[in-house]
Amino acid sequence: DAKTTQPNSMESNEEEPVHLPCNHSTISGTDYIHWYRQLPSQGPEYVIHGLTSNVNNRMASLAIAEDRKSSTLILHRATLRDAAVYYCILSMFGGGMNRDDKIIFGKGTRLHILP
Amino acid sequence: NAGVTQTPKFRILKIGQSMTLQCTQDMNHNYMYWYRQDPGMGLKLIYYSVGAGITDKGEVPNGYNVSRSTTEDFPLRLELAAPSQTSVYFCASSRGLNTGELFFGEGSRLTVL
Repeated sequence: DAKTTQPNSMESNEEEPVHLPCNHSTISGTDYIHWYRQLPSQGPEYVIHGLTSNVNNRMASLAIAEDRKSSTLILHRATLRDAAVYYCILSMFGGGMNRDDKIIFGKGTRLHILP
Repeated sequence: NAGVTQTPKFRILKIGQSMTLQCTQDMNHNYMYWYRQDPGMGLKLIYYSVGAGITDKGEVPNGYNVSRSTTEDFPLRLELAAPSQTSVYFCASSRGLNTGELFFGEGSRLTVL
């Protein structure tokens, strides 16, 4: 399985943008890049995912490098509620009942938001 | 719409006891997963299933068993509980990985004494 590398922790000020980096230098052409976050005492929740193009949704933006060896999750205006562990994950495109379809979580980045 | 439901939410076991963690989803998802999360750590994949009748080992399958007789249910069984299995267990489901999102249950906190 392709691996990801994330900083252990980051800090950001409230109401400022946050850029969370992820390196995945061994990514294959069929790997999707997923981001999840886990708030304290909760299960993980989906944030965003993409393959090649940058993606936006109501929660965040995902910027993917042209060579796909790195990506950045962008929170446009951090709030205290965004304090969580953020996981960057690669998963193979299965397209059906492919037994290699699984998502492996790493250690993630713990994001601290300063008021 | 209930999503992914896990039971029980909390359980204390004695060493050597057995139990089953139940997981049910009502979204007709083919893919289901069991993860465990030790304190202060990330999630480790125990078992997963890409459809009814199909299960595969994840990163840390030892000491656990699963079955997937229906699309909705994916129970996780601990046969001989050990203190090392003290953890929070999360069940998740998804329609398909390329379509995004895993939906997680609220977790089951298991303590083995």
